[in-house]
Amino acid sequence: IQLTQSPPSLSASVGDRVTITCRASQGINSYLAWYQQNPGKAPKLLIYAASTLQSGVPSRFSGSGSGTDFTLTINSLQPEDFATYYCQQLDSYPLTFGGGTKVEIK
Amino acid sequence: QVQLVQSGAGVKRPGASVKVSCRTSGYTFTKYGLSWVRQAPGQGLEWMGWIGPYNGNTYYGQKFQDRVTLSTDTPTTTAYMELRNLRSDDTAVYFCARGGTLEPGKPYYYYGMDVWGQGTTVIVSS
Repeated sequence: IQLTQSPPSLSASVGDRVTITCRASQGINSYLAWYQQNPGKAPKLLIYAASTLQSGVPSRFSGSGSGTDFTLTINSLQPEDFATYYCQQLDSYPLTFGGGTKVEIK
Repeated sequence: QVQLVQSGAGVKRPGASVKVSCRTSGYTFTKYGLSWVRQAPGQGLEWMGWIGPYNGNTYYGQKFQDRVTLSTDTPTTTAYMELRNLRSDDTAVYFCARGGTLEPGKPYYYYGMDVWGQGTTVIVSS
């Protein structure tokens, strides 16, 4: 299953609302997770089951979608949110990742 | 707290093998699966394979299945990833990640990969 993330990168300002999309090449129910990765660090789980916020993750992060189309939204972007975001499908092996979206400061 | 601590970085010659360890703590080792994910310099995340510590079952990505072996040692709650016949394009950071558990009414990977090791840099160079 291939995952296509868009956009590959975006520039935004603190306080902006940001939306990242992830499209699967076939239906994956709601078996999708989102991760945040900062340079030189391991990925951090943000959302699982497409829309469930991982414990400790700020509520400005939200996820939606099912089937083939998914969205990660960051409301009121904070300085610590400038990072790269990946989606991952957990429906079937191999557990593929999207290509990533780098969120940069405008 | 739940932790995954990986072995240190290394430089390997082309054709050699590398074995990366992932020492776990803070949870019941046999209750969760472990995946290995790698990231080449400046590139995205690439899932390599999975092992279920409770029965030793494995699943390897097609790209790696001829060269990788995943294993676990339950008494030390440690997982291992061995990659053989290294090439320059195997230069990457290798991560272990906890993911997958059997819970009634939920799919195996419902909770995603919730805890990650810090990563191990492997450089393949002559």
